[in-house]
Amino acid sequence: EAGVAQSPRYKIIEKRQSVAFWCNPISGHATLYWYQQILGQGPKLLIQFQNNGVVDDSQLPKDRFSAERLKGVDSTLKIQPAKLEDSAVYLCASSLVGTGRETQYFGPGTRLLVL
Amino acid sequence: QKEVEQNSGPLSVPEGAIASLNCTYSDRGSQSFFWYRQYSGKSPELIMFIYSNGDKEDGRFTAQLNKASQYVSLLIRDSQPSDSATYLCAAQMAGRRALTFGSGTRLQVQP
Repeated sequence: EAGVAQSPRYKIIEKRQSVAFWCNPISGHATLYWYQQILGQGPKLLIQFQNNGVVDDSQLPKDRFSAERLKGVDSTLKIQPAKLEDSAVYLCASSLVGTGRETQYFGPGTRLLVL
Repeated sequence: QKEVEQNSGPLSVPEGAIASLNCTYSDRGSQSFFWYRQYSGKSPELIMFIYSNGDKEDGRFTAQLNKASQYVSLLIRDSQPSDSATYLCAAQMAGRRALTFGSGTRLQVQP
């Protein structure tokens, strides 16, 4: 079974530029999560999709971050414009249903450095 | 802000010893609890989950939950150098499906 795929793996941009990350969840997984993990901290949820609908985006900085899930499968997360404090690893995860009582499988992450 | 708290460590134990990792959570309504292991530069991977008060054992790992004290722990028996990693505690808080993670405890197992 293929795992969660993410691209790119690394990205370096200057502040005020825009950047986009892509995620392909495990086949058949209805729920997709984007987390932000700053160095030395645990992952923080940015947004959760159930199929192609948003379940939780309460911690998404909506003035600069946006996300969509196309046809309930792939997802993109965009930052525009980027700030220095956005430097982090962006992790995509998926789970079968999204009840909370189930394993979330994480992708390899995208490391973003904002200069 | 509902939180999950962990000691950042590092927790250093000799090979073969028991490593004890602890976690507290602020939301009394939290239902499910998870321990993830994260090697440096890698993504988190699930080790164990626990929903009910008491102990749950899986191989060398034992998770313990005390909802009255809002406390979760992970015991690793016969610790190996390959267990050296950051251990993330996560909770599913009331009203949310997503997980709230602690900042992790770094474990070092000395050969």
